[in-house]
Amino acid sequence: KAGVTQTPRYLIKTRGQQVTLSCSPISGHRSVSWYQQTPGQGLQFLFEYFSETQRNKGNFPGRFSGRQFSNSRSEMNVSTLELGDSALYLCASSLGTSGSRGTQYFGPGTRLTVL
Amino acid sequence: SQELEQSPQSLIVQEGKNLTINCTSSKTLYGLYWYKQKYGEGLIFLMMLQKGGEEKSHEKITAKLDEKKQQSSLHITASQPSHAGIYLCGADIGAGNNRKLIWGLGTSLAVNP
Repeated sequence: KAGVTQTPRYLIKTRGQQVTLSCSPISGHRSVSWYQQTPGQGLQFLFEYFSETQRNKGNFPGRFSGRQFSNSRSEMNVSTLELGDSALYLCASSLGTSGSRGTQYFGPGTRLTVL
Repeated sequence: SQELEQSPQSLIVQEGKNLTINCTSSKTLYGLYWYKQKYGEGLIFLMMLQKGGEEKSHEKITAKLDEKKQQSSLHITASQPSHAGIYLCGADIGAGNNRKLIWGLGTSLAVNP
């Protein structure tokens, strides 16, 4: 089975721009979570989607948004980029049920640099 | 302070030596996950522990869950350069609708040949 894929792998943007990152989960997985990882803060939870619905949301400003499509693929969008948004963005998929998430499997990440 | 503390923060060992990494929660654990990450890459799932006293092994890596201490340990036997990387623990805390997944800051492991 193919693993979780994320595109693009690397991205350079300037302050004020917006960016969209894409994640394709493992086939059959219905739950997708997004994380931001920085050296100082570690892994910070952004949001979780299950069957096209946002199930959980972390403590990030409204500039960070996401969605999930009917094929379970997910996108996250960051508008009005700030220097502090530079980070590795990780997507994780799991089988998921209406009541639980299950073990998460991570993609390789998208390295975003904001200049 | 962190809800999930990992220790040590970093570790340098000689190839062939054994080592242990600890992950301690300030809240009741409902599940504990161990992952390994190479710098700048995604996390690779190692194992998941759910029951107190549970112990799992994968190749030379063994993880145990001490439910009473709300702690898990990851032990590597006869370390090799391929074991180098960042080890992260994640934990399910909270019950029912309050359940959430929290993460430690990671332990960076270097293995000298």
